[in-house]
Amino acid sequence: GENVEQHPSTLSVQEGDSAVIKCTYSDSASNYFPWYKQELGKRPQLIIDIRSNVGEKKDQRIAVTLNKTAKHFSLHITETQPEDSAVYFCAASSRAAGNKLTFGGGTRVLVKP
Amino acid sequence: DGGITQSPKYLFRKEGQNVTLSCEQNLNHDAMYWYRQDPGQGLRLIYYSQIVNDFQKGDIAEGYSVSREKKESFPLTVTSAQKNPTAFYLCASTGRYNEQFFGPGTRLTVL
Repeated sequence: GENVEQHPSTLSVQEGDSAVIKCTYSDSASNYFPWYKQELGKRPQLIIDIRSNVGEKKDQRIAVTLNKTAKHFSLHITETQPEDSAVYFCAASSRAAGNKLTFGGGTRVLVKP
Repeated sequence: DGGITQSPKYLFRKEGQNVTLSCEQNLNHDAMYWYRQDPGQGLRLIYYSQIVNDFQKGDIAEGYSVSREKKESFPLTVTSAQKNPTAFYLCASTGRYNEQFFGPGTRLTVL
């Protein structure tokens, strides 16, 4: 089955700097890669996703890149703000696996003012 | 995700007791999922259902049971066989384009 590795497990950045989180996946059939943000005690919220026919996608200060050959994808947050502090999860899914998501272990991001 | 509701928000279980967590969605989604999240940890899949009257075990199904009698509802029962059930339980559903949205969660504590 699919295996998703996420790095780093914790990330501390200064407000205004960029943050990058990287994920690798094992199943070459995976074709959908969402990112979730989870604040303390709350549900995960979908913040951006990318499909295998696209190499990059942007939404304001966040962007995701996908390298299918290397089987890795990354989340980029620019001009970080204190409200970006949260746990971020990547995930991957494929039709062959019934479209169920396999999650990475999460990255705790702390933005220091 | 506003179309997915879970109840109760907090639940307390005594030893040897079965409890049922409710999950309802009005998004007309076919697929629904149950995850368990332990403090400071990631999401682990318990059960999922891609269509009414059908469901499959996830990675940690032991000690749990589900039913899917209606498209809108996917209740999870935590049985007495689950020895360490204290966790945050999240229900999710998936739309046509595979975007998965989560309910607000139920926090279960064993007394």
